[in-house]
Amino acid sequence: DVKVTQSSRYLVKRTGEKVFLECVQDMDHENMFWYRQDPGLGLRLIYFSYDVKMKEKGDIPEGYSVSREKKERFSLILESASTNQTSMYLCASSLWFRRVSEAFFGQGTRLTVV
Amino acid sequence: GQQVMQIPQYQHVQEGEDFTTYCNSSTTLSNIQWYKQRPGGHPVFLIQLVKSGEVKKQKRLTFQFGEAKKNSSLHITATQTTDVGTYFCAGANAGGTSYGKLTFGQGTILTVHP
Repeated sequence: DVKVTQSSRYLVKRTGEKVFLECVQDMDHENMFWYRQDPGLGLRLIYFSYDVKMKEKGDIPEGYSVSREKKERFSLILESASTNQTSMYLCASSLWFRRVSEAFFGQGTRLTVV
Repeated sequence: GQQVMQIPQYQHVQEGEDFTTYCNSSTTLSNIQWYKQRPGGHPVFLIQLVKSGEVKKQKRLTFQFGEAKKNSSLHITATQTTDVGTYFCAGANAGGTSYGKLTFGQGTILTVHP
């Protein structure tokens, strides 16, 4: 079974803090994604990585950065957390063999910025 | 960039009634995927459609991919309380080197009244 593990289920941070959300997958997938989920807005792509050290901006990258130093790990960084970044963050991974394949999601991190 | 719109946002049905959600993309898709998210859970892959005009069935669920590969639908026959959740479509752009980047719709929240 593919497993995508996010480091925290719930997180409370203060405005202005630097926040790290970690995601690890155990199936040697090339692709990893960070989405945020807000009511009525669905899943919005923040960043996407298709290989180690390779990344691509999604639809809402402002205020975020990412790091992928190893294939299995994809980190989302909030440089200076703000209250409008309070949300559910979902990490996902998928296999890429020159065709699109299903995404496997982690359990999500509910981040509250106060 | 690519936009994927999904309607309706909410659907309330009586158990036994049918349910349909629709997905429309602003660009031609290479494929479309459907996911289900149970309350409190994370999205779980249901199916992928690749061919123009493709129709696939999973028990009471019927998935269609439009001829122009810009729209899709999910139809549930005779809903059950176990169908409750949010249904998302996700599309990948045709052509280019998107490496499998998925753009999700806003989701349809299905409530089934017993």
